[in-house]
Amino acid sequence: EVQLVQSGPEVKKPGESVKISCKGSGYTFSNYWIGWVRQMPGKGLEWMGIIYPGDSDTRYSPAFQGQVTISADRSISTAYLQWSSLKASDTAIYYCARHESEGDWIDYWGQGTLVTVSS
Amino acid sequence: EVVMTQSPATLSVSPGERATLSCRASQSVSSNLAWYQQKPGQAPRLLIYYATTRASGTPARFSGSRSGTEFTLTISSLQSEDFAVYYCQQYNNWPPLTFGGGTKVEIK
Repeated sequence: EVQLVQSGPEVKKPGESVKISCKGSGYTFSNYWIGWVRQMPGKGLEWMGIIYPGDSDTRYSPAFQGQVTISADRSISTAYLQWSSLKASDTAIYYCARHESEGDWIDYWGQGTLVTVSS
Repeated sequence: EVVMTQSPATLSVSPGERATLSCRASQSVSSNLAWYQQKPGQAPRLLIYYATTRASGTPARFSGSRSGTEFTLTISSLQSEDFAVYYCQQYNNWPPLTFGGGTKVEIK
């Protein structure tokens, strides 16, 4: 059974850094692209970017380029999303998601990680 | 960037009735469109890809269609578990992959 299990909720202050994770199981992690999707409170879905764990090839949405860093460690089947300096507007639920192949639809989703940024 | 526009924003339907949700792309996305369902407090779930292909586990009452840049998700007879928010997503021109704003299907 394919599963994506994300790390727990984070509460941070503006300017702090954070790295959230997404561990895949039930399939060959290196062979599928993993994306990240933001959902701000009460809002819709926004695609942030994607990584291929096999070679760490990464693509970003222009809206998120330079704002976040996506990475992966295939040895432990885990993808990451990190911020170096959080803003209050980064408060959202972040989902990791497996793409069926490069740039294709999302076939599996993680449970989401709530990141709250407040002074 | 391809802009996806969903309508209506909210659809009020009685159980057992038919629901028709629309999604329009700002430019051609071929049939590279997916539909997702999201219930409160849950992650989205894939329903349909390639505009018309049901994902594994998607009930037959869900169907997708395409006419040019207009896409439709039809739920033939709404069940209680179908009341949720539905999103379309194009994956033809990326990055970025883009979602529509969502249609909330609520009980009438």
